[in-house]
Amino acid sequence: DAGVIQSPRHEVTEMGQEVTLRCKPISGHDYLFWYRQTMMRGLELLIYFNNNVPIDDSGMPEDRFSAKMPNASFSTLKIQPSEPRDSAVYFCASSIDRGGSGANVLTFGAGSRLTVL
Amino acid sequence: SQKIEQNSEALNIQEGKTATLTCNYTNYSPAYLQWYRQDPGRGPVFLLLIRENEKEKRKERLKVTFDTTLKQSLFHITASQPADSATYLCALGDTGNQFYFGTGTSLTVIP
Repeated sequence: DAGVIQSPRHEVTEMGQEVTLRCKPISGHDYLFWYRQTMMRGLELLIYFNNNVPIDDSGMPEDRFSAKMPNASFSTLKIQPSEPRDSAVYFCASSIDRGGSGANVLTFGAGSRLTVL
Repeated sequence: SQKIEQNSEALNIQEGKTATLTCNYTNYSPAYLQWYRQDPGRGPVFLLLIRENEKEKRKERLKVTFDTTLKQSLFHITASQPADSATYLCALGDTGNQFYFGTGTSLTVIP
């Protein structure tokens, strides 16, 4: 398996533009997570899905952020309009429900580094 | 809301020594605690998981402790090597599905 695949790896855009980040989880994984990482705040959970359904989006900073998972192999995180304070590395992670055997282990993608000028 | 704190400063140790990293938390009662390693330009990679009813977990040169009374986890790397240099993150969760991360500790092992 190629692991969790994110694109683009790097994105530089101007304030006010729309940004779309993409993620392909590991095949068979039923959980998908979007995190944002900055030096100041570390890794913040934005939203997560279970079987393509959003379960908790309380970490989404504001209405400018939206996430979708139209099928089990694809998810997007959209920022519209983007602002300089959105500059960060955005990670997608997936996991498989281990049921009664314990907690999920996250497999992360390589991240998308976003710079908003 | 929960607060997770790791060693605020970078940790530098000599090769062969034991590195000890700290993860403290407040306003939370996690059932699970995980440790991840992150190299520059890459996503975090899972290392170890420990449950609230487990005091200690080992994997090769790694050891994790979990003290729910102190609200603290310690992460030890014995016989440290330069290849262990990375940022180490702790992550806490209560349901096993949703995890919150600390800001990480940067470890440098000096040859």
